Amino acid sequence: IAGITQAPTSQILAAGRRMTLRCTQDMRHNAMYWYRQDLGLGLRLIHYSNTAGTTGKGEVPDGYSVSRANTDDFPLTLASAVPSQTSVYFCASSSGRGDTGELFFGEGSRLTVL
Amino acid sequence: GQNIDQPTEMTATEGAIVQINCTYQTSGFNGLFWYQQHAGEAPTFLSYNVLDGLEEKGRFSSFLSRSKGYSYLLLKELQMKDSASYLCAVMDSNYQLIWGAGTKLIIKP
Repeated sequence: IAGITQAPTSQILAAGRRMTLRCTQDMRHNAMYWYRQDLGLGLRLIHYSNTAGTTGKGEVPDGYSVSRANTDDFPLTLASAVPSQTSVYFCASSSGRGDTGELFFGEGSRLTVL
Repeated sequence: GQNIDQPTEMTATEGAIVQINCTYQTSGFNGLFWYQQHAGEAPTFLSYNVLDGLEEKGRFSSFLSRSKGYSYLLLKELQMKDSASYLCAVMDSNYQLIWGAGTKLIIKP
């Protein structure tokens, strides 16, 4: 079934540890995104990639890094996790800039930093 | 700054009609989106409006007035499965999506 797969679905992490959230899509979409969702706030964009080989910073990029080595994969890394990074993280993709903008989301990764 | 406003929570009765409003102030406009998100799940696309007027899709309709910076999502013949959060998002001049905090819709029998 085509779509976006995120891993892990849930993780508890000690502060200061490094963590990579994985995201893979099989829809051959050009654009991919990482959002965090916190109670009472809208989805906030962390990083994005308009096409393989390029990345850009979103609204809340500090403490996070991404890479886009190929079309399908877009991992998000927390170099040294802090409690404020406790959140639900969603990876999403779309066919590209200028289209209707429909995003397809993964099921989310719930991260707790202690 | 850019801002999307929508009510935090609404309650409606099964079988009834509910209208969820969204007002926005953004740098440019390239379309407005509504997404549905059930608790613990990912958001899923409902509708897209880029021109003024009403877009109807089954029990759901979405309206846009660009001059007023206003949209609403209309849900008819409410069903219990419509209990979810409804997210309004606007695509700005840089083709970035600006998201509202979402409206939690509670359906009562």
